[in-house]
Amino acid sequence: NAGVMQNPRHLVRRRGQEARLRCSPMKGHSHVYWYRQLPEEGLKFMVYLQKENIIDESGMPKERFSAEFPKEGPSILRIQQVVRGDSAAYFCASSPLTVEGTIFGSGTRLTVV
Amino acid sequence: AQTVTQSQPEMSVQEAETVTLSCTYDTSESDYYLFWYKQPPSRQMILVIRQEAYKQQNATENRFSVNFQKAAKSFSLKISDSQLGDAAMYFCAYRSGNNAGNMLTFGGGTRLMVKP
Repeated sequence: NAGVMQNPRHLVRRRGQEARLRCSPMKGHSHVYWYRQLPEEGLKFMVYLQKENIIDESGMPKERFSAEFPKEGPSILRIQQVVRGDSAAYFCASSPLTVEGTIFGSGTRLTVV
Repeated sequence: AQTVTQSQPEMSVQEAETVTLSCTYDTSESDYYLFWYKQPPSRQMILVIRQEAYKQQNATENRFSVNFQKAAKSFSLKISDSQLGDAAMYFCAYRSGNNAGNMLTFGGGTRLMVKP
């Protein structure tokens, strides 16, 4: 079991470009969460998804950020028109029906230049 | 909204000694879960230990144990016989038990250094 797979591990984008971060949950997990970690800070919740549904997006910035978890394929976190302040590590986590089994991926470090 | 506070940005411990990392939280809920995660330089988030609020007994996992004080809303982590591999960032986290949301609320972290 490969665990939660995130790719790419590192992503560099110029200001104004789009960033796409992918997350394949652990096999058997139907819940996906995205978190953002700014340098020297803790993780901040962004969005919680189940297959084809956004359950809670209370932590998502109102503009430029979107997330999906389609019926087939990985969950995608999309950031449009990136700015320097978007530079951070983005973590995906997945869980089965209860969060007690939450497993984190290794994160994607996004650098905006 | 729940908040989690880690008041120690950095801690240092001598190898083989014991260290305690502090965590306090604020909530109006009675049913919740508390966690300690370890984040080494590899960035991987590793679950160290978990505590259910309804359980009075403090959780223990090998060299790691917690001191859970529900009334004081305190959840400290004790690491015994510290090893060089324990050096990492440690994050305290809270999760509501009411199924309204499964997300975790994290503290700001404590960087633990282990001296040989």
